[in-house]
Amino acid sequence: GENVEQHPSTLSVQEGDSAVIKCTYSDSASNYFPWYKQELGKGPQLIIDIRSNVGEKKDQRIAVTLNKTAKHFSLHITETQPEDSAVYFCAAKKAGGTSYGKLTFGQGTILTVHP
Amino acid sequence: KAGVTQTPRYLIKTRGQQVTLSCSPISGHRSVSWYQQTPGQGLQFLFEYFSETQRNKGNFPGRFSGRQFSNSRSEMNVSTLELGDSALYLCASSDRDEQFFGPGTRLTVL
Repeated sequence: GENVEQHPSTLSVQEGDSAVIKCTYSDSASNYFPWYKQELGKGPQLIIDIRSNVGEKKDQRIAVTLNKTAKHFSLHITETQPEDSAVYFCAAKKAGGTSYGKLTFGQGTILTVHP
Repeated sequence: KAGVTQTPRYLIKTRGQQVTLSCSPISGHRSVSWYQQTPGQGLQFLFEYFSETQRNKGNFPGRFSGRQFSNSRSEMNVSTLELGDSALYLCASSDRDEQFFGPGTRLTVL
Protein backbone atom coordinates (compact mmCIF):
# COMPACT_ATOMS: atom_id res chain seq x y z
CA GLY A 1 0.00 0.00 0.00
CA GLU A 2 0.85 3.67 0.04
CA ASN A 3 3.69 4.86 2.26
CA VAL A 4 4.42 8.50 3.10
CA GLU A 5 7.73 9.60 4.58
CA GLN A 6 8.03 13.04 6.19
CA HIS A 7 11.14 15.02 7.16
CA PRO A 8 12.30 16.54 9.39
CA SER A 9 10.61 15.21 12.51
CA THR A 10 11.39 18.44 14.37
CA LEU A 11 12.13 21.91 13.04
CA SER A 12 13.10 24.96 15.03
CA VAL A 13 13.22 28.43 13.42
CA GLN A 14 13.39 32.05 14.46
CA GLU A 15 10.36 34.26 13.94
CA GLY A 16 10.44 35.70 10.43
CA ASP A 17 12.46 32.84 8.96
CA SER A 18 11.10 30.35 6.44
CA ALA A 19 10.29 26.73 7.20
CA VAL A 20 10.25 23.83 4.76
CA ILE A 21 8.84 20.36 5.38
CA LYS A 22 9.27 17.58 2.83
CA CYS A 23 7.33 14.41 2.10
CA THR A 24 7.78 11.53 -0.31
CA TYR A 25 5.12 9.04 -1.33
CA SER A 26 5.39 5.59 -2.80
CA ASP A 27 2.26 5.04 -4.89
CA SER A 28 2.30 6.85 -8.24
CA ALA A 29 -1.50 6.53 -8.36
CA SER A 30 -1.85 9.07 -5.53
CA ASN A 31 -3.33 12.28 -6.85
CA TYR A 32 -4.32 14.38 -3.84
CA PHE A 33 -1.89 15.78 -1.27
CA PRO A 34 -3.19 17.77 1.72
CA TRP A 35 -1.27 19.35 4.58
CA TYR A 36 -2.64 19.57 8.11
CA LYS A 37 -1.71 21.61 11.16
CA GLN A 38 -2.48 20.12 14.55
CA GLU A 39 -2.34 22.18 17.71
CA LEU A 40 -2.33 20.69 21.18
CA GLY A 41 -5.71 19.27 22.14
CA LYS A 42 -7.22 19.81 18.71
CA GLY A 43 -7.90 17.81 15.61
CA PRO A 44 -5.84 18.29 12.42
CA GLN A 45 -6.76 21.43 10.48
CA LEU A 46 -6.51 21.42 6.69
CA ILE A 47 -4.24 24.33 5.72
CA ILE A 48 -3.51 23.72 2.05
CA ASP A 49 -3.74 20.96 -0.52
CA ILE A 50 -2.58 20.22 -4.04
CA ARG A 51 -3.70 17.86 -6.77
CA SER A 52 -1.45 15.96 -9.14
CA ASN A 53 -2.32 18.15 -12.14
CA VAL A 54 -0.80 21.20 -10.41
CA GLY A 55 2.87 21.85 -9.62
CA GLU A 56 2.54 24.62 -7.07
CA LYS A 57 -0.13 26.31 -5.00
CA LYS A 58 0.13 29.32 -2.73
CA ASP A 59 -2.08 30.80 -0.03
CA GLN A 60 -0.65 33.90 1.63
CA ARG A 61 2.42 32.75 3.62
CA ILE A 62 1.94 29.07 2.82
CA ALA A 63 2.86 27.29 -0.39
CA VAL A 64 3.01 23.68 -1.50
CA THR A 65 5.03 22.24 -4.38
CA LEU A 66 4.64 18.84 -6.02
CA ASN A 67 7.11 16.88 -8.10
CA LYS A 68 5.21 13.90 -9.54
CA THR A 69 8.27 12.43 -11.23
CA ALA A 70 10.23 12.29 -8.00
CA LYS A 71 7.08 11.56 -5.98
CA HIS A 72 7.70 14.25 -3.41
CA PHE A 73 5.90 17.34 -2.20
CA SER A 74 6.87 20.11 0.17
CA LEU A 75 5.27 22.70 2.45
CA HIS A 76 6.83 26.15 2.57
CA ILE A 77 5.94 28.66 5.29
CA THR A 78 7.41 32.14 4.92
CA GLU A 79 7.69 34.88 7.53
CA THR A 80 6.99 32.42 10.33
CA GLN A 81 5.19 33.58 13.46
CA PRO A 82 5.01 32.02 16.94
CA GLU A 83 1.40 30.99 16.24
CA ASP A 84 2.70 28.76 13.42
CA SER A 85 4.16 26.50 16.11
CA ALA A 86 2.32 23.16 15.88
CA VAL A 87 2.64 19.65 14.45
CA TYR A 88 2.33 19.52 10.66
CA PHE A 89 1.27 16.41 8.76
CA CYS A 90 1.42 15.66 5.08
CA ALA A 91 -0.87 13.06 3.53
CA ALA A 92 -1.57 11.35 0.23
CA LYS A 93 -4.71 9.87 -1.28
CA LYS A 94 -5.62 7.92 -4.39
CA ALA A 95 -8.79 8.44 -6.33
CA GLY A 96 -11.85 6.31 -5.55
CA GLY A 97 -12.11 2.54 -5.63
CA THR A 98 -10.49 0.83 -2.66
CA SER A 99 -9.05 4.17 -1.57
CA TYR A 100 -12.33 5.82 -0.65
CA GLY A 101 -11.82 8.20 2.25
CA LYS A 102 -8.33 6.94 3.02
CA LEU A 103 -5.60 9.46 3.69
CA THR A 104 -2.14 8.02 4.32
CA PHE A 105 -0.25 10.33 6.67
CA GLY A 106 3.38 11.12 7.23
CA GLN A 107 4.81 10.87 10.76
CA GLY A 108 4.51 14.58 11.45
CA THR A 109 6.88 17.51 11.97
CA ILE A 110 6.97 19.47 15.21
CA LEU A 111 7.56 23.08 14.19
CA THR A 112 8.69 25.53 16.86
CA VAL A 113 8.95 29.23 16.02
CA HIS A 114 10.99 31.19 18.54
CA PRO A 115 10.07 34.86 19.08
CA LYS B 1 -21.44 26.07 8.80
CA ALA B 2 -20.80 24.26 12.03
CA GLY B 3 -17.72 22.06 12.06
CA VAL B 4 -17.35 18.39 12.82
CA THR B 5 -18.40 17.46 16.33
CA GLN B 6 -17.36 14.39 18.28
CA THR B 7 -18.70 13.08 21.54
CA PRO B 8 -17.61 12.37 24.11
CA ARG B 9 -14.33 14.28 24.18
CA TYR B 10 -12.79 12.05 26.83
CA LEU B 11 -13.41 8.49 27.93
CA ILE B 12 -11.82 6.19 30.46
CA LYS B 13 -12.57 2.48 30.19
CA THR B 14 -11.11 -0.73 31.54
CA ARG B 15 -9.82 -3.69 29.58
CA GLY B 16 -12.54 -5.94 28.25
CA GLN B 17 -15.19 -3.24 28.10
CA GLN B 18 -16.64 -1.83 24.91
CA VAL B 19 -17.03 1.76 23.83
CA THR B 20 -19.07 3.75 21.30
CA LEU B 21 -17.90 7.05 19.90
CA SER B 22 -20.05 9.47 17.94
CA CYS B 23 -19.34 11.87 15.07
CA SER B 24 -21.58 14.48 13.47
CA PRO B 25 -20.23 15.65 10.11
CA ILE B 26 -20.48 19.07 8.51
CA SER B 27 -23.97 19.67 7.19
CA GLY B 28 -24.28 18.33 3.64
CA HIS B 29 -21.25 16.04 3.85
CA ARG B 30 -22.10 12.41 3.25
CA SER B 31 -18.69 10.83 3.79
CA VAL B 32 -17.22 10.17 7.23
CA SER B 33 -13.79 8.65 7.79
CA TRP B 34 -12.35 7.49 11.11
CA TYR B 35 -8.71 7.53 12.18
CA GLN B 36 -6.74 6.39 15.19
CA GLN B 37 -3.89 8.63 16.36
CA THR B 38 -1.18 7.33 18.68
CA PRO B 39 2.36 8.59 19.40
CA GLY B 40 3.88 5.39 18.08
CA GLN B 41 1.83 4.70 14.96
CA GLY B 42 0.71 8.20 14.04
CA LEU B 43 -2.55 8.69 12.17
CA GLN B 44 -4.00 5.46 10.83
CA PHE B 45 -7.15 5.00 8.77
CA LEU B 46 -9.87 2.86 10.33
CA PHE B 47 -12.80 3.00 7.88
CA GLU B 48 -14.95 5.23 5.71
CA TYR B 49 -18.71 5.46 5.36
CA PHE B 50 -20.76 7.06 2.62
CA SER B 51 -24.55 7.09 2.53
CA GLU B 52 -24.75 4.47 5.29
CA THR B 53 -22.36 2.07 3.47
CA GLN B 54 -18.83 1.17 4.50
CA ARG B 55 -16.76 1.72 1.37
CA ASN B 56 -13.29 1.19 2.76
CA LYS B 57 -11.61 -0.35 5.78
CA GLY B 58 -8.10 -0.14 7.15
CA ASN B 59 -5.98 -2.85 8.76
CA PHE B 60 -7.62 -3.07 12.16
CA PRO B 61 -9.08 -6.14 13.87
CA GLY B 62 -12.78 -6.89 13.75
CA ARG B 63 -13.18 -5.46 17.27
CA PHE B 64 -13.31 -2.09 15.53
CA SER B 65 -16.59 -1.47 13.77
CA GLY B 66 -18.72 1.43 12.69
CA ARG B 67 -21.94 2.52 11.14
CA GLN B 68 -23.53 5.54 9.58
CA PHE B 69 -27.08 6.77 9.90
CA SER B 70 -29.37 8.32 7.32
CA ASN B 71 -28.50 11.83 8.59
CA SER B 72 -24.79 11.05 7.96
CA ARG B 73 -23.94 10.90 11.64
CA SER B 74 -21.54 8.08 12.34
CA GLU B 75 -20.57 5.93 15.28
CA MET B 76 -17.61 3.66 15.83
CA ASN B 77 -17.51 0.86 18.34
CA VAL B 78 -14.57 -0.92 19.89
CA SER B 79 -15.34 -4.16 21.70
CA THR B 80 -13.19 -6.06 24.19
CA LEU B 81 -10.91 -3.10 24.80
CA GLU B 82 -7.17 -3.63 25.09
CA LEU B 83 -4.56 -1.36 26.63
CA GLY B 84 -3.20 -0.66 23.15
CA ASP B 85 -6.52 0.85 22.10
CA SER B 86 -5.70 3.95 24.12
CA ALA B 87 -5.56 6.70 21.50
CA LEU B 88 -7.13 9.81 20.08
CA TYR B 89 -9.94 8.79 17.73
CA LEU B 90 -10.65 11.29 15.01
CA CYS B 91 -13.42 11.49 12.51
CA ALA B 92 -13.27 13.47 9.30
CA SER B 93 -16.11 14.76 7.18
CA SER B 94 -15.87 15.30 3.44
CA ASP B 95 -17.90 15.87 0.31
CA ARG B 96 -14.98 15.47 -2.13
CA ASP B 97 -11.27 14.96 -1.49
CA GLU B 98 -10.95 17.53 1.30
CA GLN B 99 -11.35 16.03 4.76
CA PHE B 100 -12.21 18.19 7.77
CA PHE B 101 -11.46 16.76 11.16
CA GLY B 102 -13.27 16.98 14.44
CA PRO B 103 -11.51 17.56 17.78
CA GLY B 104 -11.33 13.84 18.51
CA THR B 105 -12.25 11.57 21.40
CA ARG B 106 -9.42 10.76 23.79
CA LEU B 107 -9.86 7.13 24.90
CA THR B 108 -7.84 5.81 27.81
CA VAL B 109 -7.97 2.09 28.57
CA LEU B 110 -6.85 1.06 32.05
